[in-house]
Amino acid sequence: GAVVSQHPSWVICKSGTSVKIECRSLDFQATTMFWYRQFPKQSLMLMATSNEGSKATYEQGVEKDKFLINHASLTLSTLTVTSAHPEDSSFYICSAPPQGARGFEQYFGPGTRLTVT
Amino acid sequence: QKEVEQNSGPLSVPEGAIASLNCTYSDRGSQSFFWYRQYSGKSPELIMFIYSNGDKEDGRFTAQLNKASQYVSLLIRDSQPSDSATYLCAVTRNDYKLSFGAGTTVTVRA
Repeated sequence: GAVVSQHPSWVICKSGTSVKIECRSLDFQATTMFWYRQFPKQSLMLMATSNEGSKATYEQGVEKDKFLINHASLTLSTLTVTSAHPEDSSFYICSAPPQGARGFEQYFGPGTRLTVT
Repeated sequence: QKEVEQNSGPLSVPEGAIASLNCTYSDRGSQSFFWYRQYSGKSPELIMFIYSNGDKEDGRFTAQLNKASQYVSLLIRDSQPSDSATYLCAVTRNDYKLSFGAGTTVTVRA
């Protein structure tokens, strides 16, 4: 199956600093990737759609200036949490649809656990 | 009203039994339905998807879809301790923007 990786798997940062999370498709090209956020004991919420060669599209309520997304190549999307605060502490997960998907199935990366102190 | 609702659980079943998970959705235009398994501290893993009314079987898993009732279910036969996880139901109309339910936690007792 399609493999999606993320780096780092966990990160701790101080309030006010910025953190970059990478999402890579390892064995396929992904013109579109998705970023989700999951708070403890809650389900996944879609934050934004990352588009190679164009601007990301953000879901309602997600601040685009705080969560910067760059789809640098057909295999890499990055999410930068700028001026992080403790309320940004969460599990960030990216996903990508595999090539040749018959429908809208997606494969998720392993996730990045962010803790802001 | 939440877009996707799942039975709250937790659901505890003995090893070898059938675990039955339910999911209802509010958007009648939904066309694609997914079941993901999520182990504690890990990201979701796709286990089933279904697009047409009826049953779809894959190994010990069977997904059932009834669009008229806006209902999708997942049956896990011969449940194993390794099936202990949270199961997420997700739906979408016709794009990759998935709406997830809150999940049902399943515990399989050895």
